[in-house]
Amino acid sequence: DSGVTQTPKHLITATGQRVTLRCSPRSGDLSVYWYQQSLDQGLQFLIQYYNGEERAKGNILERFSAQQFPDLHSELNLSSLELGDSALYFCASTVSEGNTGELFFGEGSRLTVL
Amino acid sequence: AQSVTQPDIHITVSEGASLELRCNYSYGATPYLFWYVQSPGQGLQLLLKYFSGDTLVQGIKGFEAEFKRSQSSFNLRKPSVHWSDAAEYFCAVARPGTASKLTFGTGTRLQVTL
Repeated sequence: DSGVTQTPKHLITATGQRVTLRCSPRSGDLSVYWYQQSLDQGLQFLIQYYNGEERAKGNILERFSAQQFPDLHSELNLSSLELGDSALYFCASTVSEGNTGELFFGEGSRLTVL
Repeated sequence: AQSVTQPDIHITVSEGASLELRCNYSYGATPYLFWYVQSPGQGLQLLLKYFSGDTLVQGIKGFEAEFKRSQSSFNLRKPSVHWSDAAEYFCAVARPGTASKLTFGTGTRLQVTL
């Protein structure tokens, strides 16, 4: 158990819909990362937050947004969903902004768009 | 931008046999290098990392990796594979000083036969 909690574990929805994925980082971790894992794209970095502020953006679509709340949990919002958004979405956390070398990953939220 | 190549998509080894998973990176200098493992239905777990110094790195679960600058490689090895090692293995790189912003390879799926 990494200490990172993601909900829901599985989600099935239709095209055009909007979903929210939630992540609770490890206790004490200030930095949260979101990754997308799909068969065709592999593991792609989406976005990073540190102590409530956006720190880095990767290959995140404009239809996607995220935020980190004062209690340090994070939410990834996916809107106007398309079939290609079906993927496993991972949250990871680490205590600092980036120099510790270890990300702790949650078990992921599997999104299926029909 | 950095990139990672894992040339083997799928490898099958017998239990007790030795294992080597290949990883090549592309980066202007020496990046931070990592190996993660993803067991079925689980998130990613760090096996080992290389920042600098001794080029042979020991990790958890009996794994080791060797950094070879001349070959831009960071291959993962294990002398004797156990059935529980069946999983997907990801090599990752990061720009020095940004250890948590990882670029992942496409992964190698390891199957272990009894």
